[in-house]
Amino acid sequence: DIQMTQSPSSLSASVGDRVTITCRASQSISSYLNWYQQKPGKAPKVLIYAASSLQSGAPSRFSGSGSGTDFTLTISSLQPEDFATYYCQQSHSTPWTFGQGTKVEIK
Amino acid sequence: EEQLVESGGGLVQPGGSLRLSCAASGFTFSSYWMNWVRQGPGKGLVWVSRINTDGSTTTYADSVKGRFTISRDNAKNTLWLQMNSLRAEDTAVYYCARHKKWEVGGNNYFGVDVWGQGTTVTVSS
Repeated sequence: DIQMTQSPSSLSASVGDRVTITCRASQSISSYLNWYQQKPGKAPKVLIYAASSLQSGAPSRFSGSGSGTDFTLTISSLQPEDFATYYCQQSHSTPWTFGQGTKVEIK
Repeated sequence: EEQLVESGGGLVQPGGSLRLSCAASGFTFSSYWMNWVRQGPGKGLVWVSRINTDGSTTTYADSVKGRFTISRDNAKNTLWLQMNSLRAEDTAVYYCARHKKWEVGGNNYFGVDVWGQGTTVTVSS
């Protein structure tokens, strides 16, 4: 199975900050990488697919980059509604695997 | 509105069985592969199983293979997950999740674009 490792596991940031979360795959997954946002008690929502494509309806302050084994999710200007946990997920091969999550908290 | 609504969760003893249901509405259910994804208490997301459009092809995580069975009825717009020989480590919120294909630059990419609200399964004596 492909292992997905996110860093950091948690971070504290202020509204307006630029935030970067990284995700590393244990082997090359080309651009088969998605990012999800999950708020407490709610189902996840997809933000980014194919490593860098913005899902319809997702705010443009979210962007993704990377290919191969190293990926990044960037929030250009953190908003109050962005405090949540973010997961990367590879769809290169079955079983799909997720990173352990990055919790973004208010500073 | 595209919607998935799970039901059937509950408290079950180790070794017991449970059948989860997922009712789909607002989209052509028969056109989509479907998945089950689970999340243990305070834990991350784990893919469990997938089924193709007509139910002829199913795939499972190693941790549930031989114990769980995914199935669907396109006439009823319903997805199921039959869970047998349940273990404490199966305790989780189970999400029904629509398999999405995106085309980018001539390539197909996959993920989940619609999730249910989740149903909680607790395995405990």
